Amino acid sequence: EPEVTQTPSHQVTQMGQEVILRCVPISNHLYFYWYRQILGQKVEFLVSFYNNEISEKSEIFDDQFSVERPDGSNFTLKIRSTKLEDSAMYFCASSGGSPLHFGNGTRLTVT
Amino acid sequence: DQQVKQNSPSLSVQEGRISILNCDYTNSMFDYFLWYKKYPAEGPTFLISISSIKDKNEDGRFTVFLNKSAKHLSLHIVPSQPGDSAVYFCAASADTGRRALTFGSGTRLQVQP
Repeated sequence: EPEVTQTPSHQVTQMGQEVILRCVPISNHLYFYWYRQILGQKVEFLVSFYNNEISEKSEIFDDQFSVERPDGSNFTLKIRSTKLEDSAMYFCASSGGSPLHFGNGTRLTVT
Repeated sequence: DQQVKQNSPSLSVQEGRISILNCDYTNSMFDYFLWYKKYPAEGPTFLISISSIKDKNEDGRFTVFLNKSAKHLSLHIVPSQPGDSAVYFCAASADTGRRALTFGSGTRLQVQP
């Protein structure tokens, strides 16, 4: 069965550094998403992306975040200047309509 | 912001019995509801969904019930199996599922052999 693939599985970075989280969505899907889960908290929506533009974003998705689909297969989340509170599991998801299919996540640890 | 609530953080049932997981929502704009299962170190895995035009949807051992007037949905697993032990998340969306998912906090189900 097709899967959403995320790399790396774990990323450790220092506060203030930039990180790029990478995702390969399911190949025929057109809708792409990023969600995150801070330890012990709910899974929270960050952003959705369709037709090469952001279709919806949450309050969490401020100017330090950006998304890109640099080619036909990858979907990336960039955090420009990481803060301690950005430490979380980041999940990429894709959809051909509904439901969303999630990757296994990237654990981001900001020290 | 508690638009989707799962009030039971954990549930333990015996193998072969029914598991019932509950979820409440407050946003009247939600019209599409989903259940996801999550194992440690994995992403959420889609289980079953229901549109607000229905009150029941069944897929094998899994049935979701929706009570719109009470803004309540439940997931029934019959019979429960040890492999069902996981965290179950309720999620809701507006605009027939085109809007972002809002997740509940999850219920950890443990099925005892």
